[in-house]
Amino acid sequence: AQSVTQPDIHITVSEGASLELRCNYSYGATPYLFWYVQSPGQGLQLLLKYFSGDTLVQGIKGFEAEFKRSQSSFNLRKPSVHWSDAAEYFCAVGARSSASKIIFGSGTRLSIRP
Amino acid sequence: EAQVTQNPRYLITVTGKKLTVTCSQNMNHEYMSWYRQDPGLGLRQIYYSMNVEVTDKGDVPEGYKVSRKEKRNFPLILESPSPNQTSLYFCASSLGGRMNTEAFFGQGTRLTVV
Repeated sequence: AQSVTQPDIHITVSEGASLELRCNYSYGATPYLFWYVQSPGQGLQLLLKYFSGDTLVQGIKGFEAEFKRSQSSFNLRKPSVHWSDAAEYFCAVGARSSASKIIFGSGTRLSIRP
Repeated sequence: EAQVTQNPRYLITVTGKKLTVTCSQNMNHEYMSWYRQDPGLGLRQIYYSMNVEVTDKGDVPEGYKVSRKEKRNFPLILESPSPNQTSLYFCASSLGGRMNTEAFFGQGTRLTVV
């Protein structure tokens, strides 16, 4: 069964600093991988996804993520954060063999220091 | 505008009083799903539907019912709510009957059962 671990519950970075949010997954084959963002009081919005091909994936709002099979990781990065990036971020893994299953991590809350 | 609409956004109810949370999407998506979000647990799937009249249990279906009589609507029914169902609920839909494409989320329903 697949699972997702986001080891950081809460991260605070200064505005303009770089950001990396960690995500590790467990799955027997190459999964589908996603990052979603949830702004306060809002639903989830897809930032980016990895299905196949280039392991460095570009998303919206200047985010990118790199799939590293050897480390079972899919970390999210941004070179320079803005105050509007303060939100909760969820990594998710989907099974290629199942049309129904996406497993979400427990989330990382990002705060931005002025 | 493409969207998933949930109602109500906020609901306080008493133990045992039946309630329904509605979900409607205007994108002609085949796949719809309900999640609950609890602190430290991420999003957990309650039920999903791959098409009209086709529904199945997710990871935490106990105490919930769903129906899919029309493609656009996927209501969540709590026949006898209990305090442990106090949570933030999200409806989601995706194209092509596969959750492994981009999922569109509603804005959430915050339910409190007293």
